Amino acid sequence: LAKTTQPISMDSYEGQEVNITCSHNNIATNDYITWYQQFPSQGPRFIIQGYKTKVTNEVASLFIPADRKSSTLSLPRVSLSDTAVYYCLVGDRPKTGRRALTFGSGTRLQVQP
Amino acid sequence: GAVVSQHPSWVICKSGTSVKIECRSLDFQATTMFWYRQFPKQSLMLMATSNEGSKATYEQGVEKDKFLINHASLTLSTLTVTSAHPEDSSFYICSASVSSGSNEQYFGPGTRLTVT
Repeated sequence: LAKTTQPISMDSYEGQEVNITCSHNNIATNDYITWYQQFPSQGPRFIIQGYKTKVTNEVASLFIPADRKSSTLSLPRVSLSDTAVYYCLVGDRPKTGRRALTFGSGTRLQVQP
Repeated sequence: GAVVSQHPSWVICKSGTSVKIECRSLDFQATTMFWYRQFPKQSLMLMATSNEGSKATYEQGVEKDKFLINHASLTLSTLTVTSAHPEDSSFYICSASVSSGSNEQYFGPGTRLTVT
């Protein structure tokens, strides 16, 4: 699985847009990019997944440039409840979903009032 | 969405005793479940892959005789920490996948184990 690099931590204020960039220089052709969110003492929660260009859902947007060597998770107008650790994962998308996920160090986002 | 539960949510045990943690997929069948361990301020580390009806696959460095995994049904996997020691104190998280075309996994809420 491709290795990912993210900033260890980020700070923001309520109402701001937060962009977390993840580098994955060795991403393979079949790899998808997935982001998870984890609150303290809870299991990770799926946020968004994409392969190229832009993906948007009700929670976030994911921007992936043409070379796919990086991706940016965008959280619009964050609130205090968005304080969490955000993990970027890269891997293929097996049909059976039986592949374990490899978590990197993650980005600890702290949202201030 | 798919829901995964874990029981107990937290447990305190004495050194040398064994503890069993359950992972259940509540509204879907999971032929494969995964067990992760997470120490404070660290990322999740995969311990083992639990396969229904067969032996679990352990990651390098994880003692299979210490961390017993049983996946007897399509909705239940158990992790038993045998002869627990204080260094086994950690946050244990399971996950399961819905067998579709997505690599999306659903995680349980985790179990906090403290060994005294």
